[in-house]
Amino acid sequence: GAGVSQSPSNKVTEKGKDVELRCDPISGHTALYWYRQRLGQGLEFLIYFQGNSAPDKSGLPSDRFSAERTGESVSTLTIQRTQQEDSAVYLCASSPSWRSPLHFGNGTRLTVT
Amino acid sequence: TQLLEQSPQFLSIQEGENLTVYCNSSSVFSSLQWYRQEPGEGPVLLVTVVTGGEVKKLKRLTFQFGDARKDSSLHITAAQPGDTGLYLCAGEGAGTALIFGKGTTLSVSS
Repeated sequence: GAGVSQSPSNKVTEKGKDVELRCDPISGHTALYWYRQRLGQGLEFLIYFQGNSAPDKSGLPSDRFSAERTGESVSTLTIQRTQQEDSAVYLCASSPSWRSPLHFGNGTRLTVT
Repeated sequence: TQLLEQSPQFLSIQEGENLTVYCNSSSVFSSLQWYRQEPGEGPVLLVTVVTGGEVKKLKRLTFQFGDARKDSSLHITAAQPGDTGLYLCAGEGAGTALIFGKGTTLSVSS
């Protein structure tokens, strides 16, 4: 079956531009997470969606970061006015329910020049 | 803030050697997961440990959860080049998010 799909796989953007990253979770998975992985670092939690509940945005590093999810389907992570420190791999994961093991996509590698 | 510290950060060994990777915290976790990540891919779940003192085996990999549920270890017997990758531990704490350590990068050469 299809796994978690992320697009684009790579994105190069100029400092100050806005970017939008997309995540298609596994069908039927109610929980969706976004993580950021900087080079040589572990995974940094950004935001969590569970069904129709209010998302947990506690990991978003600044108000330049936002994310949306429509129901239990696609999610988009938007970064406005990108900065060089935003360069990282952005990983999306879904799971059947809260605290079930995560299924990760292959990530979007964002490079801000 | 709940943190997970992994050691060593890097490990380079020869095929056939044994190794142990550690994941430690001062906080208690309700469960702990181990993932392996290969370059250009997302992490893939290896195992979940839930009970203090629990030991789980996955072929040549042995996972242990500490009695106090604050630490875990991963032991690999007779490592093979296919074991090469980034090993991440992740704990379920008080919040909604899974908390990840920084990982151990393992390189096994033949």
